[in-house]
Amino acid sequence: EAGVTQSPTHLIKTRGQQATLRCSPISGHTSVYWYQQALGLGLQFLLWYDEGEERNRGNFPPRFSGRQFPNYSSELNVNALELEDSALYLCASSPRGARGEKLFFGSGTQLSVL
Amino acid sequence: QKEVEQNSGPLSVPEGAIASLNCTYSDRGSQSFFWYRQYSGKSPELIMFIYSNGDKEDGRFTAQLNKASQYVSLLIRDSQPSDSATYLCAVIKAAGNKLTFGGGTRVLVKP
Repeated sequence: EAGVTQSPTHLIKTRGQQATLRCSPISGHTSVYWYQQALGLGLQFLLWYDEGEERNRGNFPPRFSGRQFPNYSSELNVNALELEDSALYLCASSPRGARGEKLFFGSGTQLSVL
Repeated sequence: QKEVEQNSGPLSVPEGAIASLNCTYSDRGSQSFFWYRQYSGKSPELIMFIYSNGDKEDGRFTAQLNKASQYVSLLIRDSQPSDSATYLCAVIKAAGNKLTFGGGTRVLVKP
């Protein structure tokens, strides 16, 4: 069974550009979570989608947005990129209503903003 | 006050010794508690979860939860160099379903 897949693995952008990151959950998982991990820091919660709806949002500006598609895959969009947006962006998926022990992470997208 | 707090380390442990990691959380209504291991440049991997007060053992790992003190810990027995990693404590609050992570404790196991 395939795990959580994220693309691209690496993404290099310049300040002011837009970045789009993609995530495909494990088959049967309906919830998708996005986290940001800046260098040397812990994971900061960005967004939670379930059944196509945004369920919760972390303390990030509106230029961080996303969506979940009918097949439960998800996109994270970051507009007007700033240098401090450089980080590892991790996507995780879980079955709906599951506790955290059924939450699995993808390998992440390393975003570098120059 | 951070929602989930951990000592950043590094925690240096001789091979074969016990590594003891601590985590405190601020929301008394938190329900579920998790320990993840993250190797440098890799994604987090779940190693333990605990929901009730007391101890839970899985192989060389023991998680301990004390809800009254809002404290969860992880013990790694017979530490191996391969245990060298950052250990992340995570909590699910009563409301919502997202995991809130601490900053992580870096563990170094020296041969």
